[in-house]
Amino acid sequence: GAGVSQSPSNKVTEKGKDVELRCDPISGHTALYWYRQSLGQGLEFLIYFQGNSAPDKSGLPSDRFSAERTGGSVSTLTIQRTQQEDSAVYLCASSFGVKNGYTFGSGTRLTVV
Amino acid sequence: DQQVKQNSPSLSVQEGRISILNCDYTNSMFDYFLWYKKYPAEGPTFLISISSIKDKNEDGRFTVFLNKSAKHLSLHIVPSQPGDSAVYFCAAMGYGGSQGNLIFGKGTKLSVKP
Repeated sequence: GAGVSQSPSNKVTEKGKDVELRCDPISGHTALYWYRQSLGQGLEFLIYFQGNSAPDKSGLPSDRFSAERTGGSVSTLTIQRTQQEDSAVYLCASSFGVKNGYTFGSGTRLTVV
Repeated sequence: DQQVKQNSPSLSVQEGRISILNCDYTNSMFDYFLWYKKYPAEGPTFLISISSIKDKNEDGRFTVFLNKSAKHLSLHIVPSQPGDSAVYFCAAMGYGGSQGNLIFGKGTKLSVKP
């Protein structure tokens, strides 16, 4: 596709369950990023993949969060044992050089009840 | 501690007037700055950027000004249009924009009234 695709667009899950969020970046983009936006907050950096390098996981808030990027393309963000404070919009972005700006997907709205 | 600060959560402007959105940063290693615009239920979209070697960058109705000594940048929109109503995020990074992740502010919600 022409843009960054994220699925699902909305997810409601029970506290304690695991969730997986998917991101399809723009073809050819070497960098992929995950951010989240909690209510009333800015965009919080989570993790960054660049080519075949080890990902920068410095933004992951706890060890319940993990992400992988298979074949340098699709990425999955996994949240284990979800908590109510995990409720947020999770945004994925890809880029081929930040100077042109990231291209963001529309996000996955996660609600933990 | 927030490295990128947008101290005004909201701004209301009359159509046709100038909108000025402000952003302050604390990390002197930042040397590349971007503005993003976000509509509800959509991802942010890139608007305009500026490198620290410049103090101004203009693109149509949008101009970004950078004051390195004050660690301050601003986005000017003139003339403002109702379609500009959105949340605007300021973002910064180091390495001249060649690698790493962007640090975002909390955003300013702009409302342009007809």
